[in-house]
Amino acid sequence: AQSVTQLGSHVSVSEGALVLLRCNYSSSVPPYLFWYVQYPNQGLQLLLKYTSAATLVKGINGFEAEFKKSETSFHLTKPSAHMSDAAEYFCAVRITGGGNKLTFGTGTQLKVEL
Amino acid sequence: NAGVTQTPKFRILKIGQSMTLQCTQDMNHNYMYWYRQDPGMGLKLIYYSVGAGITDKGEVPNGYNVSRSTTEDFPLRLELAAPSQTSVYFCASSHGELNQPQHFGDGTRLSIL
Repeated sequence: AQSVTQLGSHVSVSEGALVLLRCNYSSSVPPYLFWYVQYPNQGLQLLLKYTSAATLVKGINGFEAEFKKSETSFHLTKPSAHMSDAAEYFCAVRITGGGNKLTFGTGTQLKVEL
Repeated sequence: NAGVTQTPKFRILKIGQSMTLQCTQDMNHNYMYWYRQDPGMGLKLIYYSVGAGITDKGEVPNGYNVSRSTTEDFPLRLELAAPSQTSVYFCASSHGELNQPQHFGDGTRLSIL
């Protein structure tokens, strides 16, 4: 069965510093992986997705993620944090079988400090 | 440019009451989903549908029911509200292809007292 684990429920960075949010997956088949962002009192918005076309995936708002099969990881990065990046971030993996369902990690709350 | 629309945005229910959470999408997506989000738990799938007239249980279906009479609408019903159903509920939709993401509504915040 597919699953994802997000290490660190809370991450704090200074404005301008590197953002690194960790996601490790478990899958017996080539995975489809997604990162979503959730701002307060809103739904989830897609940041980027991995669908086997390229291992380095660029998303919106300057975020990118690298698929590493040997490490079963799909970590999210941004070179320079901005105050507006403060939000909760979710990693998700597509579950095989009917319905194209997703299973989500427990989320990482990103805080950006001056 | 509506996308996925959920109503109501907020609701307080008494234990034992029933209600329907509405969800509609205007993207002609075949697949639709209901999740609940609890602090520190991520999102858990309640029910999903792959097309009009077809629904199936997700990870946490107990206490909920759904129907899918049209492509656009996917309502979620709580028959006998319980405090454990206090949560934020999200509806999502997607195309059927594996590489397509799910699109989410803004959620319904439900408290049961």
